[in-house]
Amino acid sequence: GAGVSQTPSNKVTEKGKYVELRCDPISGHTALYWYRQSLGQGPEFLIYFQGTGAADDSGLPNDRFFAVRPEGSVSTLKIQRTERGDSAVYLCASSLTFGTNTGELFFGEGSRLTVL
Amino acid sequence: KNQVEQSPQSLIILEGKNCTLQCNYTVSPFSNLRWYKQDTGRGPVSLTIMTFSENTKSNGRYTATLDADTKQSSLHITASQLSDSASYICVVGVNQAGTALIFGKGTTLSVSS
Repeated sequence: GAGVSQTPSNKVTEKGKYVELRCDPISGHTALYWYRQSLGQGPEFLIYFQGTGAADDSGLPNDRFFAVRPEGSVSTLKIQRTERGDSAVYLCASSLTFGTNTGELFFGEGSRLTVL
Repeated sequence: KNQVEQSPQSLIILEGKNCTLQCNYTVSPFSNLRWYKQDTGRGPVSLTIMTFSENTKSNGRYTATLDADTKQSSLHITASQLSDSASYICVVGVNQAGTALIFGKGTTLSVSS
């Protein structure tokens, strides 16, 4: 597509529920990143994919968070047993290059998650 | 510890005026420095990317500078417009395999008429 697409744009859920957030990167971009941004803060790194594999998942806060990219394009961020502290904007970005982090990142509009 | 500090936290200026945003970093080994503009409710958009050998880069009315010796960068906005109102985020890349990008918290700029 023309840009990085994220769905849903807004998600309101109850504490304890399961949530999936989807990211459709720019066509041909092999690198895909997930970030979490809380109000008034900069984006916080969660996980990074090269193709289908997670090259770096050191930013995932705990085992309730998991992400997949089975075919090397669309990625899904999965959050189990959501907690109020998970409320944030989840940003996805893609890049044509990877490995040296010099490639330009293109961000989606984000998915705003609110856990009640 | 790798850190990126931005100042001021927020700034209000009149339309047409110039302004300069600051970024100090303690990141090693350094790879690159980026400035992003983030409109409210939108994703960040890249303004400039500078590597170690570059000390200035322009993108329209935006000019970024980099002093790798003092580990400082600035973003200068010339002849501000109402549409410049946004958060400006400084991001420093760590020179290692993978995707170590250290984000600052951003400077919120408000341009008023």
